[in-house]
Amino acid sequence: EVQLVESGGGLVQPGGSLRLSCATSGFTFSAFWLTWVRQAPGKGLEWVANIKTDGSEKYYVDSVKGRFTISRDNAKNSLYLQMNSLRAEDTAVYYCARDREYYGSGRDSWSNWGQGTAVTVSS
Amino acid sequence: SYELTQAPSISVSPGQTASITCSGANLGEKFASWYQQQPGQSPLLIIYQDTKRPSGIPERFSGSNSGNTATLTISGTQAMDEADYYCQTWDSGTVVFGGGTKLAVL
Repeated sequence: EVQLVESGGGLVQPGGSLRLSCATSGFTFSAFWLTWVRQAPGKGLEWVANIKTDGSEKYYVDSVKGRFTISRDNAKNSLYLQMNSLRAEDTAVYYCARDREYYGSGRDSWSNWGQGTAVTVSS
Repeated sequence: SYELTQAPSISVSPGQTASITCSGANLGEKFASWYQQQPGQSPLLIIYQDTKRPSGIPERFSGSNSGNTATLTISGTQAMDEADYYCQTWDSGTVVFGGGTKLAVL
């Protein structure tokens, strides 16, 4: 069974940092693009970043460029999101998700999602 | 930047057909996916590449995409289908989500 479990969320002051983790199991981790998607309270889905199978390509939404860094450890089957210079508008539930396709293009859809971890940026 | 537009909410009677639309410039030239999100739950992929259903998704869910509009159709809508639905595509290497449509089954 494919599983993705996020952790690392919490309350942080504006300007602070957090590192989110996504532990996975049940699939060949190194063969799938992975992504972070967030959802602000009462709002819709917003893609944050994604990363290629080997970590050689990373893409970000403009609003987080230069502040967030996506990374992966294929030996630990884990995905990460380092979030720096956090702002109130980063408050959201953050989901990690796995691409639908084995060695896909990274430009499709996401078939498996974690349960999310909540990040609150507030003083 | 590219935008996808969805109606904020629609309602349907049980057993009837619900059509949820997603509009974007020349959307028919791109692939559209659809996600269902129940309250308090993670999103669930229900349609990918315009028309395809992942395994385990009921046949009552179907999709189409042409011109500027992608459509998610739910035939014989059930109470359990009450949820938020999001369309999604890719444009210039970035992901675009629609704003979501809340489906009420009344």
